[in-house]
This record gives sequence, C-alpha cells and structure tokens, in this order.
Amino acid sequence: DTGVSQNPRHKITKRGQNVTFRCDPISEHNRLYWYRQTLGQGPEFLTYFQNEAQLEKSRLLSDRFSAERPKGSFSTLEIQRTEQGDSAMYLCASSSSTGGEAGANVLTFGAGSRLTVL
Amino acid sequence: KQEVTQIPAALSVPEGENLVLNCSFTDSAIYNLQWFRQDPGKGLTSLLLIQSSQREQTSGRLNASLDKSSGRSTLYIAASQPGDSATYLCAPLSYNTDKLIFGTGTRLQVFP
Repeated sequence: DTGVSQNPRHKITKRGQNVTFRCDPISEHNRLYWYRQTLGQGPEFLTYFQNEAQLEKSRLLSDRFSAERPKGSFSTLEIQRTEQGDSAMYLCASSSSTGGEAGANVLTFGAGSRLTVL
Repeated sequence: KQEVTQIPAALSVPEGENLVLNCSFTDSAIYNLQWFRQDPGKGLTSLLLIQSSQREQTSGRLNASLDKSSGRSTLYIAASQPGDSATYLCAPLSYNTDKLIFGTGTRLQVFP
C-alpha cells in the first residue's frame, strides 16, 4: 500500500466548468475525509465518510459540491459550475476507526489536488 | 466548537537555534493531536502524533508535548536547519466531532 493517492494533482479549468477529484485511501481504512485549503490558511474540513456513509458535511460544502464513496473504497469530490473562489488545494485523508489507541483515528493525508479556476 | 490557535504566525531564525512553536485548543476532549509539516504548494506530512494519554513524543530533533487539561501543545525543534523551513500545523482530533481541526500554522524560515 503506497498511502493515500489523489488525482489529478493539478487541475486548471474555466469558470463554470465541472471538475472531479478522486481519492484512493489506504486500503484498510474505513474513514475518508475531504479538506480544502486556501493560501495562507490551515485546511478546512469539508466532509467525511465511514465506509460508504457520508456522516458529516460542513456548511462550506455548498450545493455545487458533492462527494461520494460508493463502495466504501475510493471517493470522488465533484464541483459543479466552478467559481474563482473554488481555487484551492483539496486534500484527502483516511483513517481507521478501530485498532486501539495506537492505531485508531490517525489521519494520513494525500498530496492534494490543486484547483485553479480561471 | 474546537478552535485552534498557533503562535507565532511566522518565525525567521538563523540556523542552529532551538525553536518553540505553540498550539492552543479550546476543546480538551480529544483522542490525539498531530503535528504536520507543509512545504509550499504541497500536501501534509505527519511529524508527530501524541495520544491523549501521553505527555510527549519525540522524533529525532523534534519533540512535542501535550497538556490536555490546559489545551496546549508545544513543538520543539532542536538545532534548526534551513531544511526545516516550512509551515507547521497542529491539529487535535476531538471526541465530539471525529475530525481534525487545524490552526493557521506557523511559517518557519531558517536561514544559513
């Protein structure tokens, strides 16, 4: 297992277009998180899944954003009708909710997908 | 609601200095706290994880302490090097929310 994988690493799009990011978590991890990070800020929580269930969505996740994890493995984050304000780094992380104190709830992050909206 | 503050926001030091980066958080009901490093335009690299039952963790020149009751964690960097230049982020994982909440980070520059 090579860790958390995110694709594409960089996406440039025109305002109004739709974009989709994919995250492949560590295989034995049942939880998957999406965060967004803008320049000079810390990552902000967007949403997270436990297996295929989406357990929480931030109010930052407008109706133009949708995330899925259909089989409890990889996840996609789609942004419809992109706006310049969507330009950011989108980070994915995964963790296990089990495994005792040493192993549970330790998030591993991917390298991120950078979105630039022109 | 968990809120995380990191002080200082930025730090510029000559090589060789010992450094202290501070993190404070408002909700002490946490599973653990992680310190991350982030290079410009890159993802997050986990440096140290402190479980709620632990007081400190060490990795090489890095040492992180946790005082859960006062809502504070400190990252010590010994004998700083130019390669340590990056942004350092702390993030506690709360019992109530099961998600990491990040501060805005400390931007560190170590010059030769």
